[in-house]
Amino acid sequence: GQNIDQPTEMTATEGAIVQINCTYQTSGFNGLFWYQQHAGEAPTFLSYNVLDGLEEKGRFSSFLSRSKGYSYLLLKELQMKDSASYLCAVKDSNYQLIWGAGTKLIIKP
Amino acid sequence: DTEVTQTPKHLVMGMTNKKSLKCEQHMGHRAMYWYKQKAKKPPELMFVYSYEKLSINESVPSRFSPECPNSSLLNLHLHALQPEDSALYLCASSPMTEINSGANVLTFGAGSRLTVL
Repeated sequence: GQNIDQPTEMTATEGAIVQINCTYQTSGFNGLFWYQQHAGEAPTFLSYNVLDGLEEKGRFSSFLSRSKGYSYLLLKELQMKDSASYLCAVKDSNYQLIWGAGTKLIIKP
Repeated sequence: DTEVTQTPKHLVMGMTNKKSLKCEQHMGHRAMYWYKQKAKKPPELMFVYSYEKLSINESVPSRFSPECPNSSLLNLHLHALQPEDSALYLCASSPMTEINSGANVLTFGAGSRLTVL
């Protein structure tokens, strides 16, 4: 079967750095996405990785290791508005998106 | 316009009612999607339309009936729903030209929160 694993919930302090991990077992791989979803709102696209390595976009970075079936989202200089769920999703060999259950990130002052 | 607009934002219906959810985008995207999302769960794909034709139906019960009148609009018709169908229904769109490439980024609407009594 296909599976995406993420921690259910994480807590971090404003101004700090947090790393949200995602491991996957899928039938094929055609890219990995990170989306942010605030409570009651639409998921919004954060990043896309298809090759190994780190993609940096402002305060957010995403890393991929295809051999390990592993990715992480790194959030720096945390702000209260970063409190949200972070969804990892993998595109499989049929280009279908397989979603993780999401990680709820709580930012404390 | 870089948005996907969904109406209504909230809907309460009885099990015998007929209602519709609507979705609209003006980004020129040619693929549109319906997802269902339960609390603390990931989105579950229901339907995909490509160039206004139904391309994927993920074994969704017939009480959900999608419709794509044109390239900008997507409807989900609801009839004889069950309480377990209560969820957030998300519409999304993506550029058709990337449908079989990796970076086919979905743009989601804010969702319609459905409660079935």
